[in-house]
Amino acid sequence: SAVISQKPSRDICQRGTSLTIQCQVDSQVTMMFWYRQQPGQSLTLIATANQGSEATYESGFVIDKFPISRPNLTFSTLTVSNMSPEDSSIYLCSVEASGLLSSYNEQFFGPGTRLTVL
Amino acid sequence: LAKTTQPISMDSYEGQEVNITCSHNNIATNDYITWYQQFPSQGPRFIIQGYKTKVTNEVASLFIPADRKSSTLSLPRVSLSDTAVYYCLVGDRGGGRRALTFGSGTRLQVQP
Repeated sequence: SAVISQKPSRDICQRGTSLTIQCQVDSQVTMMFWYRQQPGQSLTLIATANQGSEATYESGFVIDKFPISRPNLTFSTLTVSNMSPEDSSIYLCSVEASGLLSSYNEQFFGPGTRLTVL
Repeated sequence: LAKTTQPISMDSYEGQEVNITCSHNNIATNDYITWYQQFPSQGPRFIIQGYKTKVTNEVASLFIPADRKSSTLSLPRVSLSDTAVYYCLVGDRGGGRRALTFGSGTRLQVQP
């Protein structure tokens, strides 16, 4: 399996500011994903991040609002820009696990970053 | 991606068997059925995956009928620690788009 850590685990931010969330994996992985989970809701995919290429964003999410970096095969960041209270949510990163990491096409998730915007 | 439908919530008592059924009428030939479990303040965790018939591991069993239009996750003798949200997902296990599409999930509450 893959072990994923996220920083920060939680934060309280002021409206209009930006927060960068880090995701670190203990194995080299090709595909990393960023999800958002609003309170009591299911997970919604924000974007897919492959190393060496631009992130691919889902409908309703744009790069200016959620810029993503993927500098190497074990690390990614998601920035939530110009935050508003509607951005209060849990942000999770995940990695695809196949081959050596898993015999299934499963994903491993980080613990999430709980963001509150005042 | 095939859409899934599952009950919003279920209640059970410790020691009982819990069966959560998911319908996926538009499942494609290449699609697998995967279940994830999510505890509060944690990311989802893979439980089990199957294509047809029955799959069993140390955590659960997955029953898939011949038409594959539904599946049932079976949790034997649940305990309080099985209280979680359970997600049924359907998708291609192989190449192409690999991002997961989560439905609403089933919130299981286990009572003492």
